[in-house]
Amino acid sequence: KAGVTQTPRYLIKTRGQQVTLSCSPISGHRSVSWYQQTPGQGLQFLFEYFSETQRNKGNFPGRFSGRQFSNSRSEMNVSTLELGDSALYLCASGQGANTGELFFGEGSRLTVL
Amino acid sequence: DQQVKQNSPSLSVQEGRISILNCDYTNSMFDYFLWYKKYPAEGPTFLISISSIKDKNEDGRFTVFLNKSAKHLSLHIVPSQPGDSAVYFCAASASSTNAGKSTFGDGTTLTVKP
Repeated sequence: KAGVTQTPRYLIKTRGQQVTLSCSPISGHRSVSWYQQTPGQGLQFLFEYFSETQRNKGNFPGRFSGRQFSNSRSEMNVSTLELGDSALYLCASGQGANTGELFFGEGSRLTVL
Repeated sequence: DQQVKQNSPSLSVQEGRISILNCDYTNSMFDYFLWYKKYPAEGPTFLISISSIKDKNEDGRFTVFLNKSAKHLSLHIVPSQPGDSAVYFCAASASSTNAGKSTFGDGTTLTVKP
């Protein structure tokens, strides 16, 4: 069974640009969550999608948005990038309504210059 | 206000000995707790979980203890192996159905010396 796939793995952007990150969950998983990890920090929850609906949202500004498609694949977008957005963005999928443990991808490392 | 705290950024133990990683939480709504392990350049992987109706859960060398009154949980690894060297994250959510929205600690880097 393929794991959670995130693309791209690495990217470099400049301030003011926008970025879209993609996540393909494990086949059959309907829940997708996004987390941000900055150096020395734990994972900060961004949002969670379940069956194409945003189920939970963290405390991030509106520049951070996401969506989920009918095949459970998810994208997150960050507009008007700031230097502080440089981080590892992790996507995780869950098995279903009873999410239980999360299965993480390897992450997309974003550097904002 | 950090709701999940791992007060020890790092821990070093000898191979074969016990590793004890600690985690404290402040939100009494948390009802389901998980531990994840993360190697460099990889995403976190699930280790073990516990719900508030239990005070202990075991899986092989890994045991998680929960003290709900103290809002404290710990992960015991016995015996520790060099391959256990990684960053360990404690996470908490309101329920197992809400684990997609987990609150994570900052992690503890475990080093197991041969």
